[in-house]
Amino acid sequence: GAGVSQSPSNKVTEKGKDVELRCDPISGHTALYWYRQSLGQGLEFLIYFQGNSAPDKSGLPSDRFSAERTGGSVSTLTIQRTQQEDSAVYLCASSIGGRDGYTFGSGTRLTVV
Amino acid sequence: SQQGEEDPQALSIQEGENATMNCSYKTSINNLQWYRQNSGRGLVHLILIRSNEREKHSGRLRVTLDTSKKSSSLLITASRAADTASYFCATVPTGGFKTIFGAGTRLFVKA
Repeated sequence: GAGVSQSPSNKVTEKGKDVELRCDPISGHTALYWYRQSLGQGLEFLIYFQGNSAPDKSGLPSDRFSAERTGGSVSTLTIQRTQQEDSAVYLCASSIGGRDGYTFGSGTRLTVV
Repeated sequence: SQQGEEDPQALSIQEGENATMNCSYKTSINNLQWYRQNSGRGLVHLILIRSNEREKHSGRLRVTLDTSKKSSSLLITASRAADTASYFCATVPTGGFKTIFGAGTRLFVKA
């Protein structure tokens, strides 16, 4: 597609449930990032994929968080046993090489009640 | 801690005035980027300046980079109400890929 697509745009879930967030990057972009942004705050790095290399998972806040990228394209971020502190906007971005400007999706606003 | 830290946290100006935002970082970088965010959703890439560049222009935007001070500034000239947004700097470390964002500057331009 023309841009980075994220789904769903909004997700309300009950505490303790698992959620899956999807990111469809721009075709041909080898680098894909996930960030998390709490209300009024900056972006918190979560995970980075670059081509076929092992992902940089150093930003994942706990083992309840995991992400995969299938076929070097679509990525899913999974949060297990969601907690209220997981409520945030989850942003995905992709770029051609990983060091140049990134194109962001519109994000998924996750609310854990 | 965040690699990039913006200053000020918030800025309110009149339409037509210039707005200057600053960013400081801690480690050596490959490049520094500025982004704009409206309504707390997706960010829009504004400009990228590489570590061997000192100044870059794009329309009403002017970015400077001082690697000796590990700082950058974003100047928006002749601001408009539509420039109201949050502005973030992001740094790509030398030899790495993990791009780190600062907490942002919230700019409000009054018509």
